[in-house]
Amino acid sequence: EDQVTQSPEALRLQEGESSSLNCSYTVSGLRGLFWYRQDPGKGPEFLFTLYSAGEEKEKERLKATLTKKESFLHITAPKPEDSATYLCAVQASGGKDSNYQLIWGAGTKLIIKP
Amino acid sequence: DAGVTQSPTHLIKTRGQQVTLRCSPISGHKSVSWYQQVLGQGPQFIFQYYEKEERGRGNFPDRFSARQFPNYSSELNVNALLLGDSALYLCASSLTGGDTEAFFGQGTRLTVV
Repeated sequence: EDQVTQSPEALRLQEGESSSLNCSYTVSGLRGLFWYRQDPGKGPEFLFTLYSAGEEKEKERLKATLTKKESFLHITAPKPEDSATYLCAVQASGGKDSNYQLIWGAGTKLIIKP
Repeated sequence: DAGVTQSPTHLIKTRGQQVTLRCSPISGHKSVSWYQQVLGQGPQFIFQYYEKEERGRGNFPDRFSARQFPNYSSELNVNALLLGDSALYLCASSLTGGDTEAFFGQGTRLTVV
């Protein structure tokens, strides 16, 4: 069964303290792995798509990496405005029931204290 | 350009009632997906539509139904509401559904009392 697990559930950092969020996945065939940011009461905001092991993408203070079993979202020198829930999702590549749905983790709630 | 728009933003319904949620995708996008997000959890897939045809359905009861119109907007209907249907309902818009970037609306917060 396709599954996505994120850790930790919550992470509190001081402003400027770098860290990483983990997304472990089990999927029959990976079409893409997605990172989204979600603020309270709002829809997820697209950050990155990764397609194959070894791929990396960066955006401002965020860098996403991908291996065959997991992805990391590295946050460098975070600011209070980076506080949000970060969601990871995978899209499977095939199978008779494939419908390109996203399979989501529960998210990591990131809190950056000034 | 307008993003994905959903209406209404908030809704309170009584158990047993029916509700219709609406979504307008980004201009040029032909696929709409619906997700249910319970507080503290990741979204759960409900439906995907592409070119007005249902492409996929998640593990939800038949009380949930949806459709896509010729202008690619979509409606999600839920009948016989249960307390457990209280959630944030998200609509995602993408070019084909099979592409790998989906953009979400702000969601509809449904509360069933």
